Amino acid sequence: GAGVSQSPSNKVTEKGKDVELRCDPISGHTALYWYRQSLGQGLEFLIYFQGNSAPDKSGLPSDRFSAERTGGSVSTLTIQRTQQEDSAVYLCASSLAPYRGQGANEQFFGPGTRLTVL
Amino acid sequence: AQTVTQSQPEMSVQEAETVTLSCTYDTSESNYYLFWYKQPPSRQMILVIRQEAYKQQNATENRFSVNFQKAAKSFSLKISDSQLGDTAMYFCAFMKRYAGGTSYGKLTFGQGTILTVHP
Repeated sequence: GAGVSQSPSNKVTEKGKDVELRCDPISGHTALYWYRQSLGQGLEFLIYFQGNSAPDKSGLPSDRFSAERTGGSVSTLTIQRTQQEDSAVYLCASSLAPYRGQGANEQFFGPGTRLTVL
Repeated sequence: AQTVTQSQPEMSVQEAETVTLSCTYDTSESNYYLFWYKQPPSRQMILVIRQEAYKQQNATENRFSVNFQKAAKSFSLKISDSQLGDTAMYFCAFMKRYAGGTSYGKLTFGQGTILTVHP
């Protein structure tokens, strides 16, 4: 596609429900990142994928959060038993594979999913 | 761990004037990249400019330039000839660069500065 897409753009859910957020990266981008943007915490890294593997999950805030990536393309971020503090904008970004010796490759961001937990 | 600090929550400027946004960071790394990202009301993050820490020369991209002071760990963004379309939140971000092996682009962001350009 032309850019990174995310769905849904907005999601309202009730406390305790599970939600799935989807990210479609730019075709050919093997690196994929999830970030969370909230008023209290600012912009935080959640998880990084290279292909289908996640070598860095250090930003996931609790075991209620999980993510997977299939076919080296689409990624899904799942939040189980949502809490009010999960309310935030979830941003996905993708980039070409970071190669040894090369400069940092630009991360292209999607428009985000705004999650509201009531 | 790295930290990035933007001490100006909000800034405003008149159209066609120049404005400077501040950013400081703290790291023990010697190899890294610094970025400025722009986030307009549409929420779409857009890369404005990047700086490689091992380069002495300050990066420039058209109306945007940086003042990179490595010893002071300071990385400010100057916007010249401000335009209404520059109205957005601006984030300063840090990325570690690995000397060997595969590097990856986990970004550490500052808190952001809301810039408003007035006609």
